[in-house]
Amino acid sequence: RKEVEQDPGPFNVPEGATVAFNCTYSNSASQSFFWYRQDCRKEPKLLMSVYSSGNEDGRFTAQLNRASQYISLLIRDSKLSDSATYLCVVNREPGGGADGLTFGKGTHLIIQP
Amino acid sequence: GAGVSQSPSNKVTEKGKDVELRCDPISGHTALYWYRQSLGQGLEFLIYFQGNSAPDKSGLPSDRFSAERTGGSVSTLTIQRTQQEDSAVYLCASSLLEGGHRGHEQYFGPGTRLTVT
Repeated sequence: RKEVEQDPGPFNVPEGATVAFNCTYSNSASQSFFWYRQDCRKEPKLLMSVYSSGNEDGRFTAQLNRASQYISLLIRDSKLSDSATYLCVVNREPGGGADGLTFGKGTHLIIQP
Repeated sequence: GAGVSQSPSNKVTEKGKDVELRCDPISGHTALYWYRQSLGQGLEFLIYFQGNSAPDKSGLPSDRFSAERTGGSVSTLTIQRTQQEDSAVYLCASSLLEGGHRGHEQYFGPGTRLTVT
């Protein structure tokens, strides 16, 4: 099983719809979790951290399920500007060492007018 | 405040030449990372610096690649005798590594697009 797995998509979603995607991770010792978004030919940008209790930031909600080892991202009322690749990032080292930081390959989301 | 900056933004070089890529991390960030990303691919970890500790070079693809970080701030990634397969976007990121969960958040620079002809 890969360390961090994501469905590459693309997810084609009409504007205004709700979309959700998951990311699974293999190491139960993983400590920190993040979602990044990457626009075409741009650098990844932090979208949100994922906390154990789940967290919300505007239209975006992130959830963590430690028992099943997955994190999810929910986008409500999707906008055209949400079209991007969403990267799941998992850190299993409490000290943040690079050997514990793994990026998924991303899920490609396309919001259609 | 200022984010991570990288230079040059684009570099075209001939096969066999050496190149140097520069990264200025966010002020006060103790950790610095180099990644590369080929077109349509995921991020590939290259090297990691944390404070004064020895760098984690486990991701460097060959001995043609090296990096240094002077004074705990600016970092330079050097590729010697470039090959066409080195063509990619080279991304630098920094993080605070203090303050719990938030300290692990990485902030990326805009990258250097390297093309080896």
